[in-house]
Amino acid sequence: SQKIEQNSEALNIQEGKTATLTCNYTNYSPAYLQWYRQDPGRGPVFLLLIRENEKEKRKERLKVTFDTTLKQSLFHITASQPADSATYLCALASGGSYIPTFGRGTSLIVHP
Amino acid sequence: GAVVSQHPSWVICKSGTSVKIECRSLDFQATTMFWYRQFPKQSLMLMATSNEGSKATYEQGVEKDKFLINHASLTLSTLTVTSAHPEDSSFYICSARRGGGGTYEQYFGPGTRLTVT
Repeated sequence: SQKIEQNSEALNIQEGKTATLTCNYTNYSPAYLQWYRQDPGRGPVFLLLIRENEKEKRKERLKVTFDTTLKQSLFHITASQPADSATYLCALASGGSYIPTFGRGTSLIVHP
Repeated sequence: GAVVSQHPSWVICKSGTSVKIECRSLDFQATTMFWYRQFPKQSLMLMATSNEGSKATYEQGVEKDKFLINHASLTLSTLTVTSAHPEDSSFYICSARRGGGGTYEQYFGPGTRLTVT
């Protein structure tokens, strides 16, 4: 069956460091992959989308890589700040309906 | 741009009553809207997909007679939880997607916390 795995343990890092979150998937041929941020009691906020034929995407302090051979995406936040503390969700969508399926998310805690 | 609102943000209702949740795209036309529910520390579970003017497509295991979805216009979709029970208590989130242009970004509403007593 299709699986999207994100580390369920919270990632704790110091302010200023680079946070790296991982999204692994199995039994999936995604057309694209997205990363979202979700704060407690709020809906997810779209951050980045990367297509199957793209290796890397950047937006300000954010960088996403997509390795369809390893079936993995890495999400990096450089120069992290306490305000970056949130849960980060990855979502994959296959061709056709392009309806994404979400992982459980990884909680990031940036300490001042 | 791309703002989605939900109303109400939270609601408490008695078991057996019905609750309606509204989802609006404020500054764009949404040809497709999605309804999710999320339990604490769990992923978003897609309940149904609706296209304007069409019947909603429900995911397996979601009772269409219990969760009524209406996508009456390009900016409004409603989810009605009928005869609510305590196990329906959850966080309900809608999202909207613009039509055409090859863009698949989804914009989420702030969510509605439903508590059934």
